[in-house]
Parts: sequence; structure tokens; C-alpha cells
Amino acid sequence: SQQGEEDPQALSIQEGENATMNCSYKTSINNLQWYRQNSGRGLVHLILIRSNEREKHSGRLRVTLDTSKKSSSLLITASRAADTASYFCATDAGNYGGSQGNLIFGKGTKLSVKP
Amino acid sequence: KAGVTQTPRYLIKTRGQQVTLSCSPISGHRSVSWYQQTPGQGLQFLFEYFSETQRNKGNFPGRFSGRQFSNSRSEMNVSTLELGDSALYLCASSLWAGDSYEQYFGPGTRLTVT
Repeated sequence: SQQGEEDPQALSIQEGENATMNCSYKTSINNLQWYRQNSGRGLVHLILIRSNEREKHSGRLRVTLDTSKKSSSLLITASRAADTASYFCATDAGNYGGSQGNLIFGKGTKLSVKP
Repeated sequence: KAGVTQTPRYLIKTRGQQVTLSCSPISGHRSVSWYQQTPGQGLQFLFEYFSETQRNKGNFPGRFSGRQFSNSRSEMNVSTLELGDSALYLCASSLWAGDSYEQYFGPGTRLTVT
């Protein structure tokens, strides 16, 4: 079953604009990770934020985590056409009925950046 | 370092056949996880291996099995293929980051069952 749920399911923006994607999850976590997937290919690890962190930056990416609301957001600033992809949040199974090495993914947000 | 490699990249099989997919993790990574991705169900965890032992298994029928070798390479096998097994199968190798795992994915094997 899905733990994370991304919102929106699809997002279309112009190049240069910012893109914000949200993820909600159901149970306590050890960490939350964001991945990017280009059209039916493998997933690329973007960023990991631990449960005791509130915000993390990596280049044009900014991730926030609110464990009280069980939610996270991914902000991509100054988006480019090359950012067009699906973005997934994934939670470490941790206390969610499994051991490490088992990520639980949301259904993803499909981002389209128009040149 | 070379990334995670998966072979073959594409596969077409007939219902009832069996298939074996292979995954070579990043050098030094001892944990390998397998996921199935379909448009309807999204990404679902199949199983995870560490040091040749299956540590965790997802909610899939016994037709799905796997193993890991001493060099950390892993294979997964699906027997008696069904149309619904058509999917992208992703393998990920993991690095323990002190208090959590970071998973690095291969390009996937696209399996089509006809």
C-alpha cells in the first residue's frame, strides 16, 4: 500500500518559474527521500531529509519536512525544460512494518516545464 | 564509481513462461532492493537482500523470487508469467548513511508479457 501521496498529480509551468510539489505520509518515519524519474527510466536520488531536519537545500532544490503534519514539500526554483519528469517522495519503512531497505513510494507528481 | 546496472533492459515473454532479471549494485553496496512499477499500482517493493539473505519481502505472490550472490549481485525470477506482470522492474542498491539508507536505482528492465 502507498504511504506517501504527492500533490498535485500533474503540474505544468513555464521555464523560469518555480515548481512546488507536496507529499503527505501516514506513519512515523526515519527519513523521507525525493526522487526524479524521466519517462519510464530509473529513478534518480535527489535529496534525503531526516526526521529531525526541517529544511534542506541542494542546488535549485529545497525540501521541507513537517513531521507534525506528516508532510514534505519539494521546491524547484528557476525551472528548466530538463526538469520535466515525474517526482516521487519515498519514506523509509522504518517503523512501518518493515526493516530498512524498503522504501514506500507515493504515486508521483508529473512535472512539465515548457520552454 | 559505476552505477547500478540491470540486464536485460527490455524483455518480451509469453504468458506462462518464466524470466530472470539481473542487477549489479554499486561497488561496496551490500543491500539490493527490487521494485515493480506499473501505471496502476505505481512503485511497489518486492524484496530486499543483504549479504545473500532476504531481509524483507513485499506483498507479492510466491511466483516472484530472488537471490543475492556473494559479490552482492542479485537476480529476481518470475515464474508462470501473467499479463499483469508487465512492468518496469527496478533494482536499487543501498548505502547505509549512518542512520538511514540512501537508495540508488538502476535504469530498470522493461518486461512485456504477451
